[in-house]
Amino acid sequence: DAKTTQPPSMDCAEGRAANLPCNHSTISGNEYVYWYRQIHSQGPQYIIHGLKNNETNEMASLIITEDRKSSTLILPHATLRDTAVYYCIVPQYNFNKFYFGSGTKLNVKP
Amino acid sequence: EPEVTQTPSHQVTQMGQEVILRCVPISNHLYFYWYRQILGQKVEFLVSFYNNEISEKSEIFDDQFSVERPDGSNFTLKIRSTKLEDSAMYFCASDIGGAGGTQYFGPGTRLLVL
Repeated sequence: DAKTTQPPSMDCAEGRAANLPCNHSTISGNEYVYWYRQIHSQGPQYIIHGLKNNETNEMASLIITEDRKSSTLILPHATLRDTAVYYCIVPQYNFNKFYFGSGTKLNVKP
Repeated sequence: EPEVTQTPSHQVTQMGQEVILRCVPISNHLYFYWYRQILGQKVEFLVSFYNNEISEKSEIFDDQFSVERPDGSNFTLKIRSTKLEDSAMYFCASDIGGAGGTQYFGPGTRLLVL
């Protein structure tokens, strides 16, 4: 898998946008960027993924730089329930295993 | 909304015993996975399964582990002779497949080996 680098932790005020960065400088042209989160010891929850274009769904937005070497997950209005570990994953093309690094622990504070 | 389910949610077993963890993937999915997470550590890939055979496995997935899709709906992970270090959360995931396919994870089974 392409190596990803994320800050170990971030704080965000409730109601504000949370912007979580990820570096994936070794990404190949056909590899997707996925974001998942894990709340406590629950199963990882899918958030969003993209290849080249920016993506938005009901949970979040994904901004991928033009050179694809980094991306940002945006939670537009963070709530206390968004406190979790967020993982940026770039699986190797045609191999479906996911490598979960340490992720970013997002603390949403009132 | 379809979801991956896992049973049991918790299992306690004695070292050396066999355990079977069960998963019901999302019905139209074709790829199935097991991951584990030892308390306080990262989520680790164990095995992927497609078309009734293992497509990839990690170093963790040794001869003590096996997977099976015994019928059209269940996907199981068997640990033949459990060790203390097998204590972990075990997550099942499924994926419809194809480039850009998305893995959906179950809630996990917490296995405690005494």
